[in-house]
Amino acid sequence: GQQLNQSPQSMFIQEGEDVSMNCTSSSIFNTWLWYKQDPGEGPVLLIALYKAGELTSNGRLTAQFGITRKDSFLNISASIPSDVGIYFCAGQTPYNQGGKLIFGQGTELSVKP
Amino acid sequence: NAGVTQTPKFQVLKTGQSMTLQCAQDMNHNSMYWYRQDPGMGLRLIYYSASEGTTDKGEVPNGYNVSRLNKREFSLRLESAAPSQTSVYFCASSEESSYNSPLHFGNGTRLTVT
Repeated sequence: GQQLNQSPQSMFIQEGEDVSMNCTSSSIFNTWLWYKQDPGEGPVLLIALYKAGELTSNGRLTAQFGITRKDSFLNISASIPSDVGIYFCAGQTPYNQGGKLIFGQGTELSVKP
Repeated sequence: NAGVTQTPKFQVLKTGQSMTLQCAQDMNHNSMYWYRQDPGMGLRLIYYSASEGTTDKGEVPNGYNVSRLNKREFSLRLESAAPSQTSVYFCASSEESSYNSPLHFGNGTRLTVT
């Protein structure tokens, strides 16, 4: 079945640094979503991307839907301590492949003040 | 606005015991989902309900059953718990089961099976 490879698995950075993480797949997706999970809570949607090549920002977050529809990246600029958490990418398969939402393994971000 | 509410938050079961995880949403969403989260494996879909009255298997349905009780509530049942079902379970809902309806998650149920 479809799989997403998310990297890196974990990151330890200093406050103020920029962060980049990405997801790749051998399959194409119609939608890419980026979620953040705070400790002890459920994932919360950060950014949704619906069109190949789309670049979307939400405050210090920027995400792009790869032109091949097989990848996406998320950048966080000027990280702060509350950015700590697990970030998940998720891709939705085309309708003729079930329209399922597939999640990456997650990137655990630690920010040192 | 509560969003998606899951109960209980924590549960410890012995192998072979049964239990039901409850989920309710107050956003008038049509679609509801159950996922499990295991370290290094992301979130995997167990079952989903595209609309009231329908349920379908996801990626890892074995050992589970679900009931869409009404539009608000979607429960997950473990008939005979096994240690492999130790996980964090998340319920989610969306307006509809389409690409432009992002999921809204509850805060999870942490289940340990000994």
